[in-house]
Formats: sequence, C-alpha cells, structure tokens
Amino acid sequence: SQTIHQWPATLVQPVGSPLSLECTVEGTSNPNLYWYRQAAGRGLQLLFYSIGIGQISSEVPQNLSASRPQDRQFILSSKKLLLSDSGFYLCAWRNTGEGQAFFGQGTRLTVV
Amino acid sequence: GQQLNQSPQSMFIQEGEDVSMNCTSSSIFNTWLWYKQEPGEGPVLLIALYKAGELTSNGRLTAQFGITRKDSFLNISASIPSDVGIYFCAAAWNYGQNFVFGPGTRLSVLP
Repeated sequence: SQTIHQWPATLVQPVGSPLSLECTVEGTSNPNLYWYRQAAGRGLQLLFYSIGIGQISSEVPQNLSASRPQDRQFILSSKKLLLSDSGFYLCAWRNTGEGQAFFGQGTRLTVV
Repeated sequence: GQQLNQSPQSMFIQEGEDVSMNCTSSSIFNTWLWYKQEPGEGPVLLIALYKAGELTSNGRLTAQFGITRKDSFLNISASIPSDVGIYFCAAAWNYGQNFVFGPGTRLSVLP
C-alpha cells in the first residue's frame, strides 16, 4: 500500500534562516506531488506541484522553492524565511490519471 | 481563477443530529472529493466522486456529485463527537494536475 511521510512534524525557525521540508511517498511510481500551505483556520493554498523528476510548477510567487530530486521525493525550501512563512505545510500525492489525492501529516512551521 | 464555495462556514450541532454541507462552483468539474481535517493533522480523504449524479456512502457519510457538475454535498447522519473537524471539498477537471479546494466547513458537535 502507498504511504506518504513528511518531516519534521514541527519546526521553529528564526527569521532569515533557511528551510528544508521533506516529503517522500512509498508504494507507487511517478506520482504527482504537491505542496500546500494552510494558515491558521484557513483553507489550503497550493504552492507547488510536480508531475515528474525535475518538473516543478509554481502557483504562488514567493520566497519558497521546491525540488524533486527523485521520483518519490519532494522538497520545499527557502533561503531566508519571513515571518509570513509561518503556517501548516502539507505534502500530497496522486497517481497520474486518478482523481484521489492523499495528504501527509503536515509540518507546523513557526518563524520567530 | 477557479474557486469553490462551501456552506455553511461553521456549524454547531447536537450529538445525534444529522449534518448537511455543500460545495458549489461556477466551473464544471468531473471529480469531487471530500476531506476531513482534525487539528494538527493532514486532511483525510472521506469520499471521492467521479460521475455526475453519483451518490456514494462511507459509513454514516453520504456525498453526491451534482448533476450540473458544479456542486456536491456531504451529509453526516447521527453525528458523534469524533465528527468534529473541518470538512473540505476539492474538485478537479479531467484528472488535471491541480485540485481546487473550498475554504472548509468547521463542524462542532455538542454532547
């Protein structure tokens, strides 16, 4: 069966520090991968999605970037965090041609 | 851009009551999904709908794909305390890469 792992679960980082969040999927090949951000009490904002290795589409211009170095690995990064980057970050995957998307457990990022 | 509207935004109900919430769009979709999110957790898929008019159940949950393909509803029967959470609808067109999410309905169940 397919599983998705996201880490760390929580992170407190100072303003201006770098960020690296990692997401991996097991049990499937060539999934579509997604990074979402959720502000407190709000809906989901799509940040990036990827349909294959090295293929990244950005939905919202900001100081975040994403990379997909391996088929089932999706990384969210920043060189310098801003206070406004605080939020709940969610990784999701979907098999190409299928409708259902599945989410990881999320990373709570607090920038101080 | 494409947007989904969910109503109500929040609801407080008594344990045992039935719940109904819906999701609407100005655009046509051919996939509708319903998720539940509990505090500090990622959304969990409840029901997926792929055909206009489709009615699908998952335990006490029932969801329908509207025949206009622009809406969907979710019903929860005989609510229990563990139903508390935020319910999100999501939609996609032709298995495209992106899903559109609604803003969520926050459900509180009073004992």
